[in-house]
Amino acid sequence: LAKTTQPISMDSYEGQEVNITCSHNNIATNDYITWYQQFPSQGPRFIIQGYKTKVTNEVASLFIPADRKSSTLSLPRVSLSDTAVYYCLVGSRGYSSASKIIFGSGTRLSIRP
Amino acid sequence: DARVTQTPRHKVTEMGQEVTMRCQPILGHNTVFWYRQTMMQGLELLAYFRNRAPLDDSGMPKDRFSAEMPDATLATLKIQPSEPRDSAVYFCASGLGGGQETQYFGPGTRLLVL
Repeated sequence: LAKTTQPISMDSYEGQEVNITCSHNNIATNDYITWYQQFPSQGPRFIIQGYKTKVTNEVASLFIPADRKSSTLSLPRVSLSDTAVYYCLVGSRGYSSASKIIFGSGTRLSIRP
Repeated sequence: DARVTQTPRHKVTEMGQEVTMRCQPILGHNTVFWYRQTMMQGLELLAYFRNRAPLDDSGMPKDRFSAEMPDATLATLKIQPSEPRDSAVYFCASGLGGGQETQYFGPGTRLLVL
């Protein structure tokens, strides 16, 4: 089971780029890395998923080094609405009965004007 | 815009009472997850189903919790009897499975057991 470690909290300002790093030293060969965003009183929302190198979509980029023991979520030009908790999740494709899905404690990101 | 729906959104009950939470996954999704979220423990996976069959419910206290999928459009999570320590937000999520592991979460059921 790949346990994840993230910073508990981060602060930034509007317009800045924010990078949140997640450590997953025991990641398995079949594991993918997924990031979710959660606002208060809502369920988590998918942001991005990747296996290796770099993935980019309309809201974020995900950087994964060759050893895959960590990953970095990059949010370009954040706004106040990006204030939320961000979770890094590591799990194998197919979610077989032997696997376990573990959300870490998340990173509470606060954006200031 | 397809969404996961959960009912009720809020539930206040007394210790010892039965609690039933319902989830309607997104149409066409064949994987359903139940989570519990508290300040102390964060998000915990309780159980998940694929094609209505339970794949893993090891995160669920077996003596009082039960999860079922009577049909493809309904998943239920029951607590009997409920205890104050069960107070939490319970989320249901669904996914396409088959290698597409994105989970789509519902709004949650906020449970308070007095």
